[in-house]
Amino acid sequence: KAGVTQTPRYLIKTRGQQVTLSCSPISGHRSVSWYQQTPGQGLQFLFEYFSETQRNKGNFPGRFSGRQFSNSRSEMNVSTLELGDSALYLCASSSGTGGADTQYFGPGTRLTVL
Amino acid sequence: AQSVTQPDIHITVSEGASLELRCNYSYGATPYLFWYVQSPGQGLQLLLKYFSGDTLVQGIKGFEAEFKRSQSSFNLRKPSVHWSDAAEYFCAVGAANAGNMLTFGGGTRLMVKP
Repeated sequence: KAGVTQTPRYLIKTRGQQVTLSCSPISGHRSVSWYQQTPGQGLQFLFEYFSETQRNKGNFPGRFSGRQFSNSRSEMNVSTLELGDSALYLCASSSGTGGADTQYFGPGTRLTVL
Repeated sequence: AQSVTQPDIHITVSEGASLELRCNYSYGATPYLFWYVQSPGQGLQLLLKYFSGDTLVQGIKGFEAEFKRSQSSFNLRKPSVHWSDAAEYFCAVGAANAGNMLTFGGGTRLMVKP
């Protein structure tokens, strides 16, 4: 089975722009979660989508949004980029039963905001 | 809300020596506990997980972890470290009522001396 894929792998944007990141889960997986990883804050949960519905949301401002399509692929969008949004954005997929699910992580998208 | 503490930010061990990485969690009910490893520039790979049953859990790459409810700990161990184990290790906690949301510890960076 192919693993979780994320595109693009690297991205450079300037303050005020917006960005869209994409995540393709493992075939058959219905849950996609997004995490932000920074040296200062570590790994923080952004949100989870299951069957095209947001199931959980972390403590991030409304500039961060996401969606999931009927094929389980997910996108996250960050509007009005700030310098502090520079991070590695990881997505993870799982079957979606929750809790003890094994989540499989993609390689991440490295976003740099200048 | 759940939380995870990894007290050791950096650990250096000699190749062939034993390893123990500490993890303490805070959660009111029985948690779902995970250990992930991240190599530079990579996503996270699951080493092992605990959700019920035997408190000693075996994982991949020769790792094991023991769940101790009385100490709120889930320490990761390996009897003999290999140079390829050098990476960053993350402990995470999930909850039955939180979908696939994981709360991560700050991570422990492992260096292996030849």
